Amino acid sequence: GESVGLHLPTLSVQEGDNSIINCAYSNSASDYFIWYKQESGKGPQFIIDIRSNMDKRQGQRVTVLLNKTVKHLSLQIAATQPGDSAVYFCAETETDSWGKFQFGAGTQVVVTP
Amino acid sequence: DGGITQSPKYLFRKEGQNVTLSCEQNLNHDAMYWYRQDPGQGLRLIYYSQIVNDFQKGDIAEGYSVSREKKESFPLTVTSAQKNPTAFYLCASSIVVLGPQHFGDGTRLSIL
Repeated sequence: GESVGLHLPTLSVQEGDNSIINCAYSNSASDYFIWYKQESGKGPQFIIDIRSNMDKRQGQRVTVLLNKTVKHLSLQIAATQPGDSAVYFCAETETDSWGKFQFGAGTQVVVTP
Repeated sequence: DGGITQSPKYLFRKEGQNVTLSCEQNLNHDAMYWYRQDPGQGLRLIYYSQIVNDFQKGDIAEGYSVSREKKESFPLTVTSAQKNPTAFYLCASSIVVLGPQHFGDGTRLSIL
C-alpha cells in the first residue's frame, strides 16, 4: 500500500545512536503538544506529551523539549533501535480548541545497522 | 485488551456510491474523532464528537457524515459528494478532549 511517509523528510540514524526529530509550530497560543509514532499501514501511537508550563519531559528512552520562544518542539530518542523506524509527527492544540489538534506531516526515521 | 477497532482495513468505492467506515472503541472514552491522512501530509480532522448524540464538523467535513448513537461507536459515511475520497482514514478516541488520542489502525479507501 501507499506509504504515509511518501515525500517526507528522512532522518537516517545508525543503530545505537541518538535521534533528534524536530517540529516547528505556528500557533503561539498552543499549550499542549504530543509526539506520535506511526509504522507503515498502522495507526499512530502515542509516545509522549508535554504542556506549555514545562520545557522538558522524559519518558522511557525519549525526551521532549519545548521552546516556546521560537515555537519549536523536539523529540530525542536514545540508543535508537531498528524497531524505532517509523514516521514521527507532532501535534499541537490550545485549551480553547476543545481537542482540535494540528498535526505535522512528520519525519521518516530510518535506522540502519 | 482495550482499543479501537476500525473495519474494514481496505474498502473500494464505485462512482456515486456511499460507503460507511466502522469505528468501535472499548476504552470508555467520551471523545471520538475521524481524520483523513494523505501521503506526505498531516492528519486533517473530518468530524469529532465529545459526547453521545453530539458531533461537530472538523476542517474538511464536506462530503462526509457521521453519527454517534452509542458511546463506543462512531461510524463515518463517505458520500458520493466527496469527489476525492481516496485516502487513509483514521479513527481516534480520548478520555478527555485535552489529552492523548488513541488511534485505530485505519481504513484505506480507494476508488474503483
